Amino acid sequence: QVQLQESGPGLVKPSQTLSLTCTVSGGSISSGGNYWSWIRQHPGKGLEWIGYIYYSGSTYYNPSLKSRVTISVDTSKNQFSLKLSSVTAADTAVYYCASVPGSGSYSDYWGQGTLVTVSS
Amino acid sequence: QSVLTQPPSVSGAPGQRVTISCTGSSSNIGAGYDVHWYQQLPGTAPKLLIYGNNNRPSGVPDRFSGSKSGTSASLAISGLQAEDEADYYCQSYDSSLSGPLFGGGTKLTVL
Repeated sequence: QVQLQESGPGLVKPSQTLSLTCTVSGGSISSGGNYWSWIRQHPGKGLEWIGYIYYSGSTYYNPSLKSRVTISVDTSKNQFSLKLSSVTAADTAVYYCASVPGSGSYSDYWGQGTLVTVSS
Repeated sequence: QSVLTQPPSVSGAPGQRVTISCTGSSSNIGAGYDVHWYQQLPGTAPKLLIYGNNNRPSGVPDRFSGSKSGTSASLAISGLQAEDEADYYCQSYDSSLSGPLFGGGTKLTVL
């Protein structure tokens, strides 16, 4: 069974870049078929798709965040990463990484999530 | 901006049946895209509950079922149990977003 684990700073200053990494275990990120996704949840709110990446490197981003988001993959480490630039307090959220089978648009496995707070 | 609309809250007594609706539009559910449902227990990550409108992943009790018609979908939970108290989210692909779109979530309270 695939397991995902987010890691990265829990506190980021305004205007800086938020950087998170998701480590995948129990399966190869480059085995093909899956997309690898980032989703966030503002405190007490619903879920927002940030973007996803295919193992080949093809990326798809939420248009509302596209200008600030970069998702990349490191197949040698079985990891994929999120960078969100020019953060503000509105980017404070729990960030989840998840796997998306190529056959569907749903997320079948999720990481436990990591809270990122944007504050000076 | 595309939205999937869910009721903010529903409630039911143990043993009862409740349904949660999810209303979309022509750019998502109405376009024929599948609807999926997630359960989020307090303080935990969402868990896939229903995929492809009415399919349950291994380990999900058959008390949970999904349906879809037109621009809407529903999640039904029968034989309510205290452990079902959670937030439930619907999700579909949206062509305007070119990605997955989530509903606002519904808080289920077991009375």
